[in-house]
Amino acid sequence: GAVVSQHPSRVICKSGTSVKIECRSLDFQATTMFWYRQFPKQSLMLMATSNEGSKATYEQGVEKDKFLINHASLTLSTLTVTSAHPEDSSFYICSAGDPLTSTDTQYFGPGTRLTVL
Amino acid sequence: ILNVEQSPQSLHVQEGDSTNFTCSFPSSNFYALHWYRWETAKSPEALFVMTLNGDEKKKGRISATLNTKEGYSYLYIKGSQPEDSATYLCAFNRGGGADGLTFGKGTHLIIQP
Repeated sequence: GAVVSQHPSRVICKSGTSVKIECRSLDFQATTMFWYRQFPKQSLMLMATSNEGSKATYEQGVEKDKFLINHASLTLSTLTVTSAHPEDSSFYICSAGDPLTSTDTQYFGPGTRLTVL
Repeated sequence: ILNVEQSPQSLHVQEGDSTNFTCSFPSSNFYALHWYRWETAKSPEALFVMTLNGDEKKKGRISATLNTKEGYSYLYIKGSQPEDSATYLCAFNRGGGADGLTFGKGTHLIIQP
């Protein structure tokens, strides 16, 4: 149980285009999902907290107008990188917790490698 | 700014040997410390969530200890096997399930046959 999927696993796009990444909890419902990114040789960094039915909360330094988050259902959160530029090239990964379990474990998707040309 | 430090950055261990590595984290406002095992092209796999000072958890040949007063955790692997090769991440959590995690850079473990 507690499986999180992400799609796509890899995407290459041209500068100026927008890219949507999906994060799904496959066998549980998640009111809260988290989005992280990882630059080369750096740690996973929290970008934003995605809240079902309400606005996402963003970490300091993350532009909310550039990284649009939608959490329209209890099993799906999407991250849209708008007007992508080469500096947005990174590894993006999501996580979610299963509120029905007694632990605070967060389950991660396999991540999405974004390359902006 | 929260700092989570892991050492060493990488480690080569002979098959059959035991090994351990360290995670240090802020000792104030502590809620939980998470350990993950991450293989390339796969999702990070949750190993442990530790909340109590002095806690010790075990999963097969892998175990972890926690000292919240001094802000460190150790991960131990007994009798290393090639399948243990992975990056081991620790992450600090201040506010429970509603808060995101602050990660270290990980320890990259390579088991040599």
